Amino acid sequence: DARVTQTPRHKVTEMGQEVTMRCQPILGHNTVFWYRQTMMQGLELLAYFRNRAPLDDSGMPKDRFSAEMPDATLATLKIQPSEPRDSAVYFCANSGQESSGNTIYFGEGSWLTVV
Amino acid sequence: QQPVQSPQAVILREGEDAVINCSSSKALYSVHWYRQKHGEAPVFLMILLKGGEQKGHEKISASFNEKKQQSSLYLTASQLSYSGTYFCGTASGGNYKLTFGKGTLLTVNP
Repeated sequence: DARVTQTPRHKVTEMGQEVTMRCQPILGHNTVFWYRQTMMQGLELLAYFRNRAPLDDSGMPKDRFSAEMPDATLATLKIQPSEPRDSAVYFCANSGQESSGNTIYFGEGSWLTVV
Repeated sequence: QQPVQSPQAVILREGEDAVINCSSSKALYSVHWYRQKHGEAPVFLMILLKGGEQKGHEKISASFNEKKQQSSLYLTASQLSYSGTYFCGTASGGNYKLTFGKGTLLTVNP
């Protein structure tokens, strides 16, 4: 049963620390998304990649957030330095096709708390 | 712009029906529906593409009116397992920039 794997599942960190979240996409699913979910804003698209190339990161605060895909089996989202307002659930999601007419599968999320 | 979902919340008794609406101010190419249970990831339900098609999945179906830029999710004979928050995600083009609504919390009671 193919699925998107995210680590860590839960993270509590102090303000100012660096946080790295990792995602292992479903094999062969070449479109990777990072979403952030909060009570106030709901699900927000931060960035997405196709074939490891960044296509859109306009939803991501550029001063502290960065997203990369060093290889086809790993996507990372980094926050440096972290702030309390970054507390949220961060989802990695995948799709295998190049059109929005196709399914997007979500990972189980990384629950981040910045104190 | 974020699609607007209505209602924000609905409470049903098992066996009752519900309709959740999703409307956008922009022309739509596709609408995606997801259900999320507390503490879990959103789970895909269905996609509707430009063309006004109606799709079904067991007792959950949906329609898409591209002229009105609206989609509706229909849940019939609800089951306890239907409880959760339902999100619509909309795309205005063939790319993947899905914008999600704020969700509709559905509670099904025995």
